[in-house]
Amino acid sequence: GQNIDQPTEMTATEGAIVQINCTYQTSGFNGLFWYQQHAGEAPTFLSYNVLDGLEEKGRFSSFLSRSKGYSYLLLKELQMKDSASYLCAVRDPNSSASKIIFGSGTRLSIRP
Amino acid sequence: GAGVSQSPSNKVTEKGKDVELRCDPISGHTALYWYRQSLGQGLEFLIYFQGNSAPDKSGLPSDRFSAERTGGSVSTLTIQRTQQEDSAVYLCASSPSGQEQYFGPGTRLTVT
Repeated sequence: GQNIDQPTEMTATEGAIVQINCTYQTSGFNGLFWYQQHAGEAPTFLSYNVLDGLEEKGRFSSFLSRSKGYSYLLLKELQMKDSASYLCAVRDPNSSASKIIFGSGTRLSIRP
Repeated sequence: GAGVSQSPSNKVTEKGKDVELRCDPISGHTALYWYRQSLGQGLEFLIYFQGNSAPDKSGLPSDRFSAERTGGSVSTLTIQRTQQEDSAVYLCASSPSGQEQYFGPGTRLTVT
């Protein structure tokens, strides 16, 4: 099976940088996703990593280390609208299909 | 363009009644997922459809839950003999390739 761990809550200051970590324990690996979910809304896609390294997309970057079973989402120049839950998800390599398993999410609060 | 739509947006039902939740995926997307999200929790995988392949039903919590996808498009999730613990937001997502998922707005189910 899959086990995905991420912090439950984090707080950061507007304009600052925050790093949200995710670790996973799987029997194999086939891709890792980050999603953003504002309260009461559906998740929206942020990033997808399948190879080691950093993927940068504007203010958001995602890093993956397959050997360590570790990823992080880096948010720069934080804005109040970045207050949301951030969900880490992995593709289940034991599924012949593209089953994607989500972690419980990290609730990020931005203070002025 | 049109995104993923779900109906109804809210459903209140009495314990023991059956409910049907509908998902209209983005046209042309071959993959369709159902998830359940309880308040403040992460997404719990329920079922996955990919093209004409047999669905991955490994996340369905009991035999009261079933889902079908007709013509490779619209999907319905049926919960029989609803219980109070079935109360949650039911999210549907579709994907063109099994990677990035596009989520619908969800159906909030309340079992009284």
